[in-house]
Amino acid sequence: QLQLQQSGPGLVKPSETLSLTCTVSGGSFSTTNYYWGWLRQPPGKGLEWIGTIYYTGSTYYNPSLKSRVTISVDTSKNQFSLKLTSVTAADTALYYCARSFWSEYSWFDPWGQGTLVTVSS
Amino acid sequence: DIQMTQSPSSLSASVGDRVTITCRAGQSISTYLNWYQQKSGKAPKLLISAASRLQSGVPSRFSGSGSGTDFTLTISSLQTEDFATYYCQHSYSTPWTFGQGTKVEIK
Repeated sequence: QLQLQQSGPGLVKPSETLSLTCTVSGGSFSTTNYYWGWLRQPPGKGLEWIGTIYYTGSTYYNPSLKSRVTISVDTSKNQFSLKLTSVTAADTALYYCARSFWSEYSWFDPWGQGTLVTVSS
Repeated sequence: DIQMTQSPSSLSASVGDRVTITCRAGQSISTYLNWYQQKSGKAPKLLISAASRLQSGVPSRFSGSGSGTDFTLTISSLQTEDFATYYCQHSYSTPWTFGQGTKVEIK
């Protein structure tokens, strides 16, 4: 059964860089039509797609965050990572990694356990 | 960006009730629509893809329908374990966006 395990700090100072990693186990990391994504959910609010990466390194970002986001992949470790620069309090959220099937249709399943990241000095 | 609007934002229902949640897209998205269930403190779980394809392991009391701009998620007989927040999400084009959620509470 595919599992996604997130790691990274839960507290980041304003103007600094948020960094999270998602480690995939129990399944193939480099499968056709399966991508890897990051999403977030501010406290008490809805879900926002941040970006998605293919095992080849191709990336797709939400234009609203594109200038500050970098998603990378390490196939040797079955990991993909998120970096979000110049964070502010508005970036405080529960961050999720997820596998994304993407062909004609796309969806996110399964999801990691979530990491609450608070931006505060 | 395609705006997704769910209604209602919340509802109260009893075990055994039939529950319908609506999701409206800001433009036609054919059947590029997914539904997720999120229980308190947990990650979202995919229930339905492509508007009506029930995911493996999801109870048959869940069903999805619609195309174009209007979609519905129906729970035919609400069970205790179904009390949660439900989100729709379009996959028509990036950026993918979600509805604001519908919280299903116990009456």
